[in-house]
Amino acid sequence: NAGVTQTPKFRILKIGQSMTLQCTQDMNHNYMYWYRQDPGMGLKLIYYSVGAGITDKGEVPNGYNVSRSTTEDFPLRLELAAPSQTSVYLCASSYAAGGEGYTEAFFGQGTRLTVV
Amino acid sequence: AQSVTQPDIHITVSEGASLELRCNYSYGATPYLFWYVQSPGQGLQLLLKYFSGDTLVQGIKGFEAEFKRSQSSFNLRKPSVHWSDAAEYFCAVGAPYGNKLVFGAGTILRVKS
Repeated sequence: NAGVTQTPKFRILKIGQSMTLQCTQDMNHNYMYWYRQDPGMGLKLIYYSVGAGITDKGEVPNGYNVSRSTTEDFPLRLELAAPSQTSVYLCASSYAAGGEGYTEAFFGQGTRLTVV
Repeated sequence: AQSVTQPDIHITVSEGASLELRCNYSYGATPYLFWYVQSPGQGLQLLLKYFSGDTLVQGIKGFEAEFKRSQSSFNLRKPSVHWSDAAEYFCAVGAPYGNKLVFGAGTILRVKS
């Protein structure tokens, strides 16, 4: 059982480049999340999705885009990378059904991104 | 919108001493509450969770937490800390509807022998 899988694990980008961070889950969870983790700042929610075709902004969405065309996949797109986007990116998934039936969030191992 | 405050950035305790990590949340109704732990270079591991029912929740590795609605708190406790407990601890709050999951800034626990 793979759980939440993120690729790549590490990446170095130059300023202005673009890239897509991949996230896939095999637990049939309806909710998926993208966080960035910076020292002393905890986890900041970038975007989240409550199901295929539905996404919403979190606390720090600027400079990022997401899509959710399938239940399994939730890619995060960085356009015009900036040094401020140097961070560890964590993808997570969970299940919730109208207050009845719910799980905690399960996390991937993260992508460490450096923008130079 | 929900929010989480972890007032202590760093805590140092002696091995064998008791531990309490504080977590305060803001949410208009009964929230879902979680504690996660992250060891250096590792992913996030769930310690315990509260959805409803008994307000004293038992977790893994001997940890427990108590939901106090009147204080909007969900403090994490352990009666006797082991050196392997040194890590960063995160409190998180979710909502029964919408389920946006928000994390606190974390508390770094150091254990001295």
